[in-house]
Amino acid sequence: AQTVTQSQPEMSVQEAETVTLSCTYDTSENNYYLFWYKQPPSRQMILVIRQEAYKQQNATENRFSVNFQKAAKSFSLKISDSQLGDTAMYFCAFPVLPYSNYQLIWGAGTKLIIKP
Amino acid sequence: GAVVSQHPSWVICKSGTSVKIECRSLDFQATTMFWYRQFPKQSLMLMATSNEGSKATYEQGVEKDKFLINHASLTLSTLTVTSAHPEDSSFYICSASSWGNQPQHFGDGTRLSIL
Repeated sequence: AQTVTQSQPEMSVQEAETVTLSCTYDTSENNYYLFWYKQPPSRQMILVIRQEAYKQQNATENRFSVNFQKAAKSFSLKISDSQLGDTAMYFCAFPVLPYSNYQLIWGAGTKLIIKP
Repeated sequence: GAVVSQHPSWVICKSGTSVKIECRSLDFQATTMFWYRQFPKQSLMLMATSNEGSKATYEQGVEKDKFLINHASLTLSTLTVTSAHPEDSSFYICSASSWGNQPQHFGDGTRLSIL
């Protein structure tokens, strides 16, 4: 069965520091996508970054980057130069495979607090 | 691009009434829409998946007659909570996807409070 695990329920760092959120998953498939979503206190779900499993290069979006280790089935999110607006719940998500109804399996989430 | 509009954002109503929540994809055609329920400090719980023009697929434990889903067009899906009771109070959020490999794009969610 496919699973997604976020082992850090909560993290806090000082503003401008770098923080890494971990995510591990389990699948027997070879080609797939992985997503990180952010849910700030406003509760809107926002796509942060997407990684394609067949690409060896780690995805980056400005201050956000991933460390994708396919063999280890690890997909961590690194936030550089953290800002107060980064305070949010962060969810790792992984599609149900093979693609049928395009559902996502969600991790339990990591609450990230950026302290001033 | 990829904007999803969800209305209303907050509803308070009496027990026994029915509440309809709309989810619209504003700038793309959503072949698949998803309805989630989220309890405080928890992850998203998928309630159902709907494809345009066909019946929704409900997750185990979700009452079809309680949570009516209609996906009549490629840009609109509705969730109707029928005969709502206080235990139905929750945060409901929809998402839409144009095709399998594309990320889901989310509405802003609806906070439902049943008195």
